[in-house]
Amino acid sequence: SQQGEEDPQALSIQEGENATMNCSYKTSINNLQWYRQNSGRGLVHLILIRSNEREKHSGRLRVTLDTSKKSSSLLITASRAADTASYFCATGRGSNYKLTFGKGTLLTVNP
Amino acid sequence: DVKVTQSSRYLVKRTGEKVFLECVQDMDHENMFWYRQDPGLGLRLIYFSYDVKMKEKGDIPEGYSVSREKKERFSLILESASTNQTSMYLCASTAALAGKDTQYFGPGTRLTVL
Repeated sequence: SQQGEEDPQALSIQEGENATMNCSYKTSINNLQWYRQNSGRGLVHLILIRSNEREKHSGRLRVTLDTSKKSSSLLITASRAADTASYFCATGRGSNYKLTFGKGTLLTVNP
Repeated sequence: DVKVTQSSRYLVKRTGEKVFLECVQDMDHENMFWYRQDPGLGLRLIYFSYDVKMKEKGDIPEGYSVSREKKERFSLILESASTNQTSMYLCASTAALAGKDTQYFGPGTRLTVL
């Protein structure tokens, strides 16, 4: 069962612009994570935000979490062509360390 | 540096063959996962193991089995491969520590069943 749903499904921007991706989920969570996947490769963890946190930063990444709306956003500032990838949100709910992934947003950054 | 490796990047098998996908992690992680990834469907959990010889079904276990005889190795087995099992298979691991929920992924195996 899919927990997270990313929006938009695809996003195309110019280098230097900011990219915002959103994730909505249905049930209560312990944490929400964002992962990146380059074409045909495995996923790489970007950032984790816990249910009692509202905002987190890591380099050019900013993640927000609104548990009342069951939504999160990932902002990539000053995007680069190398940021071109698929981005997935994943929610963790219990103590069993399982994550439920969304279907992803395909970000294309044009040079 | 953490590392999860998968035995093959690309694999082509015939319908009815028994297929083994191997995953090895060098981080001494207790938890290991097998996912399949299909266009438009995202990642779906096939099986999960939280300790040696322990396993739990994920969302789509039908047609698959798993084996975890050693902590570092988690195998996915397709007993009789079918064309609808053509997919990208991803292995991941994570430590069983509170606050250490990050999953570390292997590079994936793209399996084609003819």
